[in-house]
Amino acid sequence: DGGITQSPKYLFRKEGQNVTLSCEQNLNHDAMYWYRQDPGQGLRLIYYSQIVNDFQKGDIAEGYSVSREKKESFPLTVTSAQKNPTAFYLCASSKDSHVELFFGSGTQLSVL
Amino acid sequence: GQSLEQPSEVTAVEGAIVQINCTYQTSGFYGLSWYQQHDGGAPTFLSYNGLDGLEETGRFSSFLSRSDSYGYLLLQELQMKDSASYFCAVKENQGGKLIFGQGTELSVKP
Repeated sequence: DGGITQSPKYLFRKEGQNVTLSCEQNLNHDAMYWYRQDPGQGLRLIYYSQIVNDFQKGDIAEGYSVSREKKESFPLTVTSAQKNPTAFYLCASSKDSHVELFFGSGTQLSVL
Repeated sequence: GQSLEQPSEVTAVEGAIVQINCTYQTSGFYGLSWYQQHDGGAPTFLSYNGLDGLEETGRFSSFLSRSDSYGYLLLQELQMKDSASYFCAVKENQGGKLIFGQGTELSVKP
């Protein structure tokens, strides 16, 4: 079955620690995105990538980093510079720059 | 700046019709999308309007007026399973990013 997979489902970060959230898709989609969602809030764009080896900052990129070495994969690293990382993180993909985004099931990140 | 405005909460009864409005102010406009998200789940795509007018998909319809920077999602014959958050999202240009509104929480009562 084609889809987009995020792991882990739950992640805990210690102070000063970097953590990496995984996102893999087998839909052969060119574009991939990372969004952050806080309780009762909308989705805010962190980073997006339209092709391999290229990515752009979204609205809240500070404290985050990404890579796009393979078409299927778009991992997100939450660095120690992100002072308020507790949130629900959603990865999405789309064919070319189509308007329909397919979302993964999300990763809930919490700080210990 | 860019902003999308939608009501934070809407309540309706089973079988009723509900309309969720979205007004937007963005630097560019390519189209308006709607997504549904159940509690703790992933958003799923519902509809897209690139041109003015009404798009119908089963019980759900979506409308766009580009001149008014306004759109709405219409849900008919409401069912309990329609209780969820609904987000409007604007694509600013063909190759650009999708900007989401804050979401409207719909509660469907028996």
